[in-house]
Amino acid sequence: AQSVAQPEDQVNVAEGNPLTVKCTYSVSGNPYLFWYVQYPNRGLQFLLKYITGDNLVKGSYGFEAEFNKSQTSFHLKKPSALVSDSALYFCAVRGMTLNTDKLIFGTGTRLQVFP
Amino acid sequence: NAGVTQTPKFQVLKTGQSMTLQCAQDMNHNSMYWYRQDPGMGLRLIYYSASEGTTDKGEVPNGYNVSRLNKREFSLRLESAAPSQTSVYFCSSGARPSNQPQHFGDGTRLSIL
Repeated sequence: AQSVAQPEDQVNVAEGNPLTVKCTYSVSGNPYLFWYVQYPNRGLQFLLKYITGDNLVKGSYGFEAEFNKSQTSFHLKKPSALVSDSALYFCAVRGMTLNTDKLIFGTGTRLQVFP
Repeated sequence: NAGVTQTPKFQVLKTGQSMTLQCAQDMNHNSMYWYRQDPGMGLRLIYYSASEGTTDKGEVPNGYNVSRLNKREFSLRLESAAPSQTSVYFCSSGARPSNQPQHFGDGTRLSIL
């Protein structure tokens, strides 16, 4: 069965420091992987995706993520955190072997960036 | 550019009442989805529609029904609301091929007393 794990409920980081939000996945075949961000009282906004190719993908707002097939991970990173990055972050996966567009979401990680 | 529009934004119901949540998208997407978001549980798929005229159950379909009225609209109905259905409900739409991201509405916050 497909699954996504976000092992940290919350990540705290000081403004200007690098941040990492962790995600691991389990899926049959090669995955499509996505990161979304949710601000208070809003829907999810797409940040970036990995489909194929370069393992380091760049997305919106200076975020990037590294796909690691051997560790089945897709960690979200940013070199220098901003207070405005504080939000709820979701990792999601879709298995390519399934004839469906369904995504499986992780439980979310709350990122708190302190001034 | 409206994207995905959900109505209403907030609603309070009494146990046993019925209600329909509305969702419309203007991106000409084939696929549409309904999720619920609960603290510590992420987003769980209730129902989805891969194309106009088709609907399928997701992870947590019990207590819900859906209608894909046309390509733009996908509604979610609670026939007899229960307190366990208190949640934030999100609608999303997606294009083919499925390596494209889904687009989400801003949600409906539903409380059932």
